[in-house]
Amino acid sequence: DTGVSQDPRHKITKRGQNVTFRCDPISEHNRLYWYRQTLGQGPEFLTYFQNEAQLEKSRLLSDRFSAERPKGSFSTLEIQRTEQGDSAMYLCASSFRDRESGELFFGEGSRLTVL
Amino acid sequence: GQNIDQPTEMTATEGAIVQINCTYQTSGFNGLFWYQQHAGEAPTFLSYNVLDGLEEKGRFSSFLSRSKGYSYLLLKELQMKDSASYLCAVLTNAGKSTFGDGTTLTVKP
Repeated sequence: DTGVSQDPRHKITKRGQNVTFRCDPISEHNRLYWYRQTLGQGPEFLTYFQNEAQLEKSRLLSDRFSAERPKGSFSTLEIQRTEQGDSAMYLCASSFRDRESGELFFGEGSRLTVL
Repeated sequence: GQNIDQPTEMTATEGAIVQINCTYQTSGFNGLFWYQQHAGEAPTFLSYNVLDGLEEKGRFSSFLSRSKGYSYLLLKELQMKDSASYLCAVLTNAGKSTFGDGTTLTVKP
C-alpha cells in the first residue's frame, strides 16, 4: 500500500466555481478525516468518517462544504460557490480505529487557490 | 471546546537539546499526539501519550501530565533536518484530533 493519496494536488479556480477533491485512504483504515490548513496555522478539523458514516462535521464549516464516503473507501470533499477565503491546503488523513493510538496518516494534500 | 497552546517559534543549535511545550484544555481527553511537519509537506506522526509520564523513542521523547493539561516534546542531539513545525494534537474519546498551531523550530549550525 502506498499510503493516503489525494487528487488533485493543486487546483486553481475562479470565485464562485465548485471544486471537488478526492482522497483514497490506506486500505485497511476505517476512519477518514478532512482537515484544512493555511500558512502558519495547524490543521483545522473539517469532518470525519468511520466507514461510510459521517460522525462529525465542524460547526465552523458552512453549508457550501460537503463530504461523502459512499462505500467506506475513498472520500470526496466538495466546495460549492468557492470564495477567496477557501484558499488553503486540504488535507486528508486516515487511521485504524482499533489501534491503541490511532495516529493519523496524512496524504500530501490538495492545494486550492481561489482567484 | 478545546484550546491548545504552544509557542510559535523556537531556535536551537545543532547538537543541542530543545523542549517544546504544549498546554491544552479539553473534554473527553483520550491521548495526545506530536506530529512533525516540514515546509510544504504533510504532517507525520512522532509520538503518542495517553498515560502520565515520559515516552522515549530514539532522539525524541514526549511527556504528559493529564492533571496539568501539559505535554512537552524533547528533541536531543539536534540535527539540521529537525528544522520543521511541531504540532501538538489532542485526541478526544469521540475519535477526533484537534491540532495546535504548531511550533516552528529552526536549528542553526
